[in-house]
Amino acid sequence: GENVEQHPSTLSVQEGDSAVIKCTYSDSASNYFPWYKQELGKGPQLIIDIRSNVGEKKDQRIAVTLNKTAKHFSLHITETQPEDSAVYFCAASKGGSYIPTFGRGTSLIVHP
Amino acid sequence: GAGVSQSPSNKVTEKGKDVELRCDPISGHTALYWYRQSLGQGLEFLIYFQGNSAPDKSGLPSDRFSAERTGGSVSTLTIQRTQQEDSAVYLCASSSPGGTQETQYFGPGTRLLVL
Repeated sequence: GENVEQHPSTLSVQEGDSAVIKCTYSDSASNYFPWYKQELGKGPQLIIDIRSNVGEKKDQRIAVTLNKTAKHFSLHITETQPEDSAVYFCAASKGGSYIPTFGRGTSLIVHP
Repeated sequence: GAGVSQSPSNKVTEKGKDVELRCDPISGHTALYWYRQSLGQGLEFLIYFQGNSAPDKSGLPSDRFSAERTGGSVSTLTIQRTQQEDSAVYLCASSSPGGTQETQYFGPGTRLLVL
């Protein structure tokens, strides 16, 4: 089955700095890669996703890049703010009715 | 519109008791997932319902865990004879798979504490 590795497990940055979280996956058939943000006491919420037919996607301060050959994808947050502090999860899926596989999460701490 | 809702939000029970956790998915979503999240850990898949198909129970950790989905909507996760290691947050998600709609929408979770 699919295996998703996520690094780092904890990331501490100063407000205004950039943050990068990286994930690797094992199943070359995976074609959908969402990123979720989980704030304390809440369920994960989708913040951005990318499909295997594109290499990069941006949404304001958030971007995701995908390297299909190397089977890795990354989340980039620029100009970090304290409200970006949360746990971030990556996932890989073959789409449709396939069950996504999640990474173990990255705890991002943005210091004001 | 309304998102995924779960109840209760918190549940404290004694070891050996049975508990039922409820999930109301987004209306029209055909897929429903249950996950378990232990403190500081990732998401552990438990069970998946898709339409009228037989559920994928491959993630259930033991036969003490079971789930139903009635009428293709509301789902109940039941844990029998609870153990302390069952203490965790139980998350439900729904989606409308197919095309470009594989996004999972999560509920707020039920925090279960087994004493």
